[in-house]
Amino acid sequence: NAGVIQTPRHKVTGKGQEATLWCEPISGHSAVFWYRQTIVQGLEFLTYFRNQAPIDDSGMPKERFSAQMPNQSHSTLKIQSTQPQDSAVYLCASSLGGTGGNQAPLFGEGTRLSVL
Amino acid sequence: SQWGEENLQALSIQEGEDVTMNCSYKTYTTVVQWYRQKSGKGPAQLILIRSNEREKRSGRLRATLDTSSQSSSLSITGTLATDTAVYFCATYNTNTGKLTFGDGTVLTVKP
Repeated sequence: NAGVIQTPRHKVTGKGQEATLWCEPISGHSAVFWYRQTIVQGLEFLTYFRNQAPIDDSGMPKERFSAQMPNQSHSTLKIQSTQPQDSAVYLCASSLGGTGGNQAPLFGEGTRLSVL
Repeated sequence: SQWGEENLQALSIQEGEDVTMNCSYKTYTTVVQWYRQKSGKGPAQLILIRSNEREKRSGRLRATLDTSSQSSSLSITGTLATDTAVYFCATYNTNTGKLTFGDGTVLTVKP
């Protein structure tokens, strides 16, 4: 089991450019989560898919951020017109998706986005 | 924020000492997941504890959960330098699987 795979590990973009971050969840996991981590804000929930359907995007900034899950094997987080304040580590996590608290999400190693 | 200010802390101890990290939360939960994050890595699961367990152990780790005071703790006995990391507690929504993280504790274990 390779775990949650995130690519790239580090991405550097210029202000105003687009950034696409990729996540491959653990095979068989139906729930995929995106979080953002900064020193100031800590770990913030962004969005969540279950069986590829968007369930909760309450943490997503209303502009410039979008997430998709076109198939069960990958999800993408896209940031348009990146700004320096978007610099953060973006973490993807997956879980079996069942209720009852039997398994909390497992995290990938993250993508560090640096906007210059 | 759903977390109390006391969650933000840094601890520095000597290898071999025991340590306890605390967190409190404002939103009712029946499940708390503790994670450990080492530099450059994603959070790694440590212990998941439910309200009916009150205490759960895994090796040198011990977690407690008190839903009446809305607090949880993680203890490590006989710390090692490799325990150096940031430790997070997170409330776990059992319906959605969504985690809400506390601020974390930066633990430094000096060899």
